[in-house]
Amino acid sequence: NAGVTQTPKFRILKIGQSMTLQCAQDMNHNYMYWYRQDPGMGLKLIYYSVGAGITDKGEVPNGYNVSRSTTEDFPLRLELAAPSQTSVYFCASTQGRTEAFFGQGTRLTVV
Amino acid sequence: KQEVTQIPAALSVPEGENLVLNCSFTDSAIYNLQWFRQDPGKGLTSLLLIQSSQREQTSGRLNASLDKSSGRSTLYIAASQPGDSATYLCAETATSGTYKYIFGTGTRLKVLA
Repeated sequence: NAGVTQTPKFRILKIGQSMTLQCAQDMNHNYMYWYRQDPGMGLKLIYYSVGAGITDKGEVPNGYNVSRSTTEDFPLRLELAAPSQTSVYFCASTQGRTEAFFGQGTRLTVV
Repeated sequence: KQEVTQIPAALSVPEGENLVLNCSFTDSAIYNLQWFRQDPGKGLTSLLLIQSSQREQTSGRLNASLDKSSGRSTLYIAASQPGDSATYLCAETATSGTYKYIFGTGTRLKVLA
């Protein structure tokens, strides 16, 4: 039982490039989330999904897109990367309002 | 707007000391509150989850309490050890609306040997 798996762990992007952060969970959770964590700050919600085919914006959605075609996967797409998107990105999942499980994070640097 | 605050931002204590970490939230319609531990460069690990109908939860040396009327939760760590050194975050989710967790900025704890 792997829990929540994120790939890649590290990535350096040039300004204007695009990439997809992958997130997969094997717990059959209905809810999935993407957060970003900046130094000294708490986690800010980017997007979340309540089930396959349903997504919604969080606090800081600008510059990102998501899709959820299956229960297991919830990829985060960055279009036209900017230095302000340098951060650590965490994916999480829950079954309703229960214990949240987090991935190990993706450390992204935009130069 | 839901807001979660954790004070202090950092704390250093000698090994063996009992300590309390604080978490304040503005939403009185809280559904549950969760405490997490984050080690440097790692993801978050859930420690304790308290439902709004509960007043406290215990796991080993950890005890978390919840007081909805005052908008506060505390995480009590007994007989602290150097291995407890980490950042501790709390997060709440509200009764109404969708199941979004709102996080505090965390307390960075260092237990000195």
